[in-house]
Amino acid sequence: EVQLVQSGAEVKKPGESLKISCKGSGYSFSSYWIGWVRQMPGKGLEWMGIIYPHDSDTRYSPSFQGQVTISADKSIGTAYLQWNSLKASDTAMYYCARLYSGSYSPFDYWGQGTLVTVSS
Amino acid sequence: EIVMTQSPATLSVSPGERATLSCRASQSVSSNLAWYQQKPGQAPRLLIYGASTRATGIPARFSGSGSGTEFTLTISSLQSEDFAVYYCQQYNDWPPEWTFGQGTKVEIK
Repeated sequence: EVQLVQSGAEVKKPGESLKISCKGSGYSFSSYWIGWVRQMPGKGLEWMGIIYPHDSDTRYSPSFQGQVTISADKSIGTAYLQWNSLKASDTAMYYCARLYSGSYSPFDYWGQGTLVTVSS
Repeated sequence: EIVMTQSPATLSVSPGERATLSCRASQSVSSNLAWYQQKPGQAPRLLIYGASTRATGIPARFSGSGSGTEFTLTISSLQSEDFAVYYCQQYNDWPPEWTFGQGTKVEIK
């Protein structure tokens, strides 16, 4: 069974750094692109970027380029989303999700979400 | 960036009735269009990909159509579990700047 299990909720202060994780199981982690989606409170879904764990090829939405870092460790089947300096506007639910097949694909499996709260 | 516009924002439907949701792209996305369902407190679930192919385990009452810039998701006979928010997403370009629509909330009439 394909599963994506994300790390737990985080409460941080503005300016702090953060790295959240997404562990895949039940499939060949290296062989599927995996991405991140933001959902701000009460709002819609925003596509942030994707990574191919096999070679760490990473693509970002222009809206998130330079704001976050997506990475993956294929040896432990885990993808990451990282901030160097959080802002209050980063408060959101963050989902990881796997691309269904190849590079032009929707997300077929999703993690349960990680709630990030940034508040002074 | 391709802008995806969904309409209506909210759709009030009685159980057993048909629901028709629309999604329009600001430029052609061919058939590289997916629909997702999201219920409160849950992650989104893939319903339709390739504009018209149901994902694994999705009931036949869900159908998708369209290509290019105009797409439709139809729920033929709404069940209680179908009341949720629905998002379309294009995945047409590379390098990817894939985008979601703003969502349509299907609520009980």
